[in-house]
This record gives sequence, structure tokens and C-alpha cells, in this order.
Amino acid sequence: NAGVTQTPKFQVLKTGQSMTLQCAQDMNHNSMYWYRQDPGMGLRLIYYSASEGTTDKGEVPNGYNVSRLNKREFSLRLESAAPSQTSVYFCASSEAWGEGGYTFGSGTRLTVV
Amino acid sequence: GNSVTQMEGPVTLSEEAFLTINCTYTATGYPSLFWYVQYPGEGLQLLLKATKADDKGSNKGFEATYRKETTSFHLEKGSVQVSDSAVYFCARAGGTSYGKLTFGQGTILTVHP
Repeated sequence: NAGVTQTPKFQVLKTGQSMTLQCAQDMNHNSMYWYRQDPGMGLRLIYYSASEGTTDKGEVPNGYNVSRLNKREFSLRLESAAPSQTSVYFCASSEAWGEGGYTFGSGTRLTVV
Repeated sequence: GNSVTQMEGPVTLSEEAFLTINCTYTATGYPSLFWYVQYPGEGLQLLLKATKADDKGSNKGFEATYRKETTSFHLEKGSVQVSDSAVYFCARAGGTSYGKLTFGQGTILTVHP
């Protein structure tokens, strides 16, 4: 099925460890996004990529880096995980400017101990 | 800046009851407005959208009307079902934030038989 695929679905890290969350879309969308979801806070934008070759910070970028590998793939890296990064992470994609809405992946549940 | 405010939950209803979830947005620019739904363990799915004032978005019995005069986009359904139990997010895109979606904090809806 067409859509946004995220891996892994679950991950437990120790404080200080690093990892990369993978995201790929097959809808030929230009824009891709990484959000984190925390209880009572809705979804907050971490980084986004308006088009291939560009990335920009969102609302909560500290502690994260991203790579727009090609038009399909947009990865999120935690260089030194902290307990405050325990969250559910969602990748999304959209046509340019997102006016038609986003398509979301099913999420990665990350726990940092 | 751009923000979205939703009524706080959780909301608990009996089957066939009338549902309203309030949503207001900041009036910066001319945003598109969305409602997303998240079922347990899943990502967000677009429920409905409206792109200009007085537009009515509708899907699966849910409706919301873009009210510029009150900067609101309230979600309504005339008769809820147990299967509507989920978390509902109001969001805006466009205006001064271009394609980046800004979400409300989410409202948990539980429908009992």
C-alpha cells in the first residue's frame, strides 16, 4: 500500500546511545516532516524538509539531526539520547506547502532509560 | 505566532449522542484547517479539511465549518459510535507558516455502548 513507512516501530535506548529513525514515502511528495508526540502536548515539529536538498528546524530541534537522503527518504538521528527524548515519533509527507494535508507514518515509540 | 487551541478532554459520550469538539486558531494569514484522527496504536489520519472561509469539510458523518469571524473550526457529529473512540487533533497550515502544520493538543473521545 502507498504511504509513509517508518522503522523501527519500537526502540529502547540507554542514555547517551545514538540511533537513526528511518522514514520513506512512495507518493512522490516534495515535503517531509518529523514530529514528536507527548501526552497533553499534541504534536510538535522537530525538523522538516520542504523539498529534496533542504532541511529546516521546527519547534523543538535540539538534540536531533536530520538527513533528506533523496526525495523518498528522510531520517532523524539522535546523537546522544536523553530521557527527555522518550516519545512517539511520527514522520509525515505532503505535497508542496501541505495545503492538502499530510500523510503520516504509524510512528516509532522510543524509550530512553 | 500560529497556534491552535482545542477543548480539553477527555470527552466521554454514550453511543448515538451528539459530539462537538471546539477548535480555535490564531488569525495570522489565511490558513487551511484540518481535523485528524488517531486510533489507538496508529498514526494520524486526515479526517476532513477546509481551505477557505465558510467552507464545510465533511467525512464519515463528521463536519466542521471554517468560521473566519470567530476563528473557529469546531468538529461535530450527530450520532457517535463506539468505533469513533479515538484522539482528535485540530490543525492549521499555510498563512505565515507555509506548509508546516500546527496542531492542537488533541482531545480524547471515548464512546460507550
